[in-house]
Amino acid sequence: DGGITQSPKYLFRKEGQNVTLSCEQNLNHDAMYWYRQDPGQGLRLIYYSQIVNDFQKGDIAEGYSVSREKKESFPLTVTSAQKNPTAFYLCASNALAGGQETQYFGPGTRLLVL
Amino acid sequence: KQEVTQIPAALSVPEGENLVLNCSFTDSAIYNLQWFRQDPGKGLTSLLLIQSSQREQTSGRLNASLDKSSGRSTLYIAASQPGDSATYLCAVLSGYALNFGKGTSLLVTP
Repeated sequence: DGGITQSPKYLFRKEGQNVTLSCEQNLNHDAMYWYRQDPGQGLRLIYYSQIVNDFQKGDIAEGYSVSREKKESFPLTVTSAQKNPTAFYLCASNALAGGQETQYFGPGTRLLVL
Repeated sequence: KQEVTQIPAALSVPEGENLVLNCSFTDSAIYNLQWFRQDPGKGLTSLLLIQSSQREQTSGRLNASLDKSSGRSTLYIAASQPGDSATYLCAVLSGYALNFGKGTSLLVTP
């Protein structure tokens, strides 16, 4: 089956700890995205990547970092600098950034702070 | 910066009713507009995508319209069913990534 997988489903972070959220796609898509969703809010863009080894900051990149070493993988690290990390994190992809196709979303990772 | 607004924030209707969800955006220079469905604790599922040159798209009981000049879109759901209960998100593409509204939470009661 083609699609986007995210792991883990739930992630717990201790204060001062960096944690990494996984996102993998087998759709052969060039563009990948990370969004954050807070209760009652729309999705806000954290980072996006149009091609391998390239990525751009979105609206709320502070306290987050990403890498894009492989086309199918776009991990997100939530660093200790992110003071309010509790949220639902969604990864998405489409064939080409800014293209006319729909975005496909993964099932999400819920991050909670201990 | 593109701002996307959805009205109403929440809606409860009895089964069988036809309903309309509204979406407005501030910058008419868009590539496309998309409607998504989100079930609690889940990712988003694409429902309809309307290109900027199109006026509407239909899929089953769903019909979405786009009036780019006025910055408005509507999602029409015919003969609503309890299984339609979910949050519906509107998003516009005006750069490299989507801008989302906050969503409309829909409850269809039996």
